[in-house]
Amino acid sequence: QQQVKQSPQSLIVQKGGISIINCAYENTAFDYFPWYQQFPGKGPALLIAIRPDVSEKKEGRFTISFNKSAKQFSLHIMDSQPGDSATYFCAAETASKLTFGTGTRLQVTL
Amino acid sequence: DSGVTQTPKHLITATGQRVTLRCSPRSGDLSVYWYQQSLDQGLQFLIQYYNGEERAKGNILERFSAQQFPDLHSELNLSSLELGDSALYFCASSGQAVGGELFFGEGSRLTVL
Repeated sequence: QQQVKQSPQSLIVQKGGISIINCAYENTAFDYFPWYQQFPGKGPALLIAIRPDVSEKKEGRFTISFNKSAKQFSLHIMDSQPGDSATYFCAAETASKLTFGTGTRLQVTL
Repeated sequence: DSGVTQTPKHLITATGQRVTLRCSPRSGDLSVYWYQQSLDQGLQFLIQYYNGEERAKGNILERFSAQQFPDLHSELNLSSLELGDSALYFCASSGQAVGGELFFGEGSRLTVL
């Protein structure tokens, strides 16, 4: 099964709060897990990515937590800002096929 | 700006018609990917080309076909269009055959009436 399940579908967070988006997968052959950020009218852009040999990767306010045994990974956005309001897609790749989750629309309010 | 150019940005056509979407990858990128984005299906992988050869195939309908030309630009051909084909079609490019960052264009929005 090539599915990647993403939740929640939408998320509203106050400025300064923590945004958490979760993804789960079934195919243990996936070996690359990126997160993409998409603003309205634009294509998705890579935000941060992780490989399954590490449990956490942090870049600025963005952190990926990876649980290989549970086949789950999540994106944490610390100190969320209005400029972070966008749609976030998790993804998982194997054999040159990148499978995306269904997306989470994040709104950061003032 | 990702460096990936897609044309046209918007396209309105009728059922049964055929359209061609064009993608110019980032300079030097050999891989081109096509994705379909609809509200209820998210981003669906259609097909990948690497240096002119088909490398991977996803959920691409038989009515759809693609190719990558020697200058590395790619075209996605959609024929016998149905209402359900209305979607955003994204092209992405990468410098690698497998893995690595995908650089997406801004998409071509197809509306089938």
